[in-house]
Amino acid sequence: GAVVSQHPSRVICKSGTSVKIECRSLDFQATTMFWYRQFPKKSLMLMATSNEGSKATYEQGVEKDKFLINHASLTLSTLTVTSAHPEDSSFYICSARRGTGTYEQYFGPGTRLTVT
Amino acid sequence: GDSVTQMEGPVTLSEEACLTINCTYTATGYPSLFWYVQYPGEGLQLLLKATKADDKGSNKGFEATYRKETTSFHLEKGSVQVSDSAVYFCALSDQHAGNNRKLIWGLGTSLAVNP
Repeated sequence: GAVVSQHPSRVICKSGTSVKIECRSLDFQATTMFWYRQFPKKSLMLMATSNEGSKATYEQGVEKDKFLINHASLTLSTLTVTSAHPEDSSFYICSARRGTGTYEQYFGPGTRLTVT
Repeated sequence: GDSVTQMEGPVTLSEEACLTINCTYTATGYPSLFWYVQYPGEGLQLLLKATKADDKGSNKGFEATYRKETTSFHLEKGSVQVSDSAVYFCALSDQHAGNNRKLIWGLGTSLAVNP
């Protein structure tokens, strides 16, 4: 158990458009989901933490109006990159945690976003 | 704030060689420590963890011991295989954030094992 999927796995979009990335926990209920950005040869950068039914908590330096996060159900969180620019091109990864008493996160396979 | 430092890669080894990837941390309190692995084209997977001092986490032949006195959690394997080629991340859990506790990550170490 504890499988997390992401869709799409790859997306190419034009500058100025918006892109939505979905993160689903397939066999468990995720009270908390995390969105990360991974740069080449760099570690994971936590962008935001989202709890089901409440507003996401963004890390310092992450624009909440640009990276819209919705966690509408216990199995789905979405990240929308609005008005994308080439510098938003990156690998976006989500993770999900079940319950609040555990620290273990289960990761999705990631989404490669390329903005042209 | 809390932080994790791990050795830079890439690390290139021959099959059956010994592996050590160093990881040290700074934290207040008593964090839990983790090693995650990212195989090519796949998502991150938890490799092993330790939740208190002197605990040893182990999985798939890998081991790491939580050393409070040296604030370290080095990853070791006695005999690596080609299939171990991946990027390895050391991480600690933020103990102070309550329900929003998050993971603090090292930069990752790329391992390539040649046949």
